[in-house]
Amino acid sequence: SQKIEQNSEALNIQEGKTATLTCNYTNYSPAYLQWYRQDPGRGPVFLLLIRENEKEKRKERLKVTFDTTLKQSLFHITASQPADSATYLCALDGYTGGFKTIFGAGTRLFVKA
Amino acid sequence: EAQVTQNPRYLITVTGKKLTVTCSQNMNHEYMSWYRQDPGLGLRQIYYSMNVEVTDKGDVPEGYKVSRKEKRNFPLILESPSPNQTSLYFCASSSMTEIWDGYTFGSGTRLTVV
Repeated sequence: SQKIEQNSEALNIQEGKTATLTCNYTNYSPAYLQWYRQDPGRGPVFLLLIRENEKEKRKERLKVTFDTTLKQSLFHITASQPADSATYLCALDGYTGGFKTIFGAGTRLFVKA
Repeated sequence: EAQVTQNPRYLITVTGKKLTVTCSQNMNHEYMSWYRQDPGLGLRQIYYSMNVEVTDKGDVPEGYKVSRKEKRNFPLILESPSPNQTSLYFCASSSMTEIWDGYTFGSGTRLTVV
């Protein structure tokens, strides 16, 4: 079955450093890959989307890479700040008998001042 | 303000008592979806709808019903709730055009079934 894996262990980094989060998937050929931020008790907020034919996308301090051969996406936050502390979710979209989205369980990021 | 509105935010109910969680969006989005979120399992899709009168099952549809009679509304119905449906529920919507900017989520409904 389709599966997304994100590091379940929290990532702790120092303010100003680059945070790198990983999303691996199996048994899926996604048309899109998305990253979301979720704060405790709140709904996910969309950050970035990358298509299957794109290798890299940037938005301000955020960068996403997408390697369909490795079946992996990396999400980078440069010059991280304490306000970046949150859970980050990876999501895959594709047509598998209907347009379905599957989400990873997320990685919790803590940025220490 | 563009948003997805869910109601109620919190709900405690008893086993077997039918309930409806409402979801409404003001962005004229074609696509709407319901998810449940449980610790360690992430968001799991319950049902989705690609347009009015078009609904389809997600990964965990058992025990739930939906309807899409109007574009803006996508209610989630639990005909006979059970304790294993205690969870945090999210409604989401998106446009289905080429210029796609991801899903907009509601603030969530925390449901407890006792």
